[in-house]
Amino acid sequence: GAVVSQHPSWVICKSGTSVKIECRSLDFQATTMFWYRQFPKQSLMLMATSNEGSKATYEQGVEKDKFLINHASLTLSTLTVTSAHPEDSSFYICSAALQGSGGYTFGSGTRLTVV
Amino acid sequence: DAKTTQPTSMDCAEGRAANLPCNHSTISGNEYVYWYRQIHSQGPQYIIHGLKNNETNEMASLIITEDRKSSTLILPHATLRDTAVYYCIVRVTANEKLTFGTGTRLTIIP
Repeated sequence: GAVVSQHPSWVICKSGTSVKIECRSLDFQATTMFWYRQFPKQSLMLMATSNEGSKATYEQGVEKDKFLINHASLTLSTLTVTSAHPEDSSFYICSAALQGSGGYTFGSGTRLTVV
Repeated sequence: DAKTTQPTSMDCAEGRAANLPCNHSTISGNEYVYWYRQIHSQGPQYIIHGLKNNETNEMASLIITEDRKSSTLILPHATLRDTAVYYCIVRVTANEKLTFGTGTRLTIIP
């Protein structure tokens, strides 16, 4: 089946530094990818929709200059958390839309801890 | 997107059928019903989806009422590994963003 590989699975960084999270579609081309954030005991909150070759569309309240999304190829989308602060500590999850079936497949998530 | 309503939590005995309800009374005629689950600290996993007819796959069955205003996900023989948060979502087309509600936290009891 369609697999999305997300790396790293966890990362600890110092406050003020930047962190890049990668999401790769392994056996299919992902025209559209989605980035979610999930705080403890809460549901997934969509941050942005990423389309290959164009600018990402951010949800209301998500800072596009802080959460940089790049979708330069049909198999790779990246999320960079710039100047990370402790309040950015969260579980970040990517997802790709599957053509045909209309379903979505999700990465395994990245646990970001900013200290 | 049509909104969905699910119970906050449910328990089910191991080996029994787990029936998870979802209300989507404002669903449109062209909206599909999708079910995903999220095991702790993992990405969501696709379970099943349907439009009008009941559906079954190796994981579960989906029963959609005739008026399409509600549905039930059935895990026929629940195991401890089925403990997760289950999300019922309705949407129209591929590439459309998925909006997650709070879901149902299903706990399988030994």
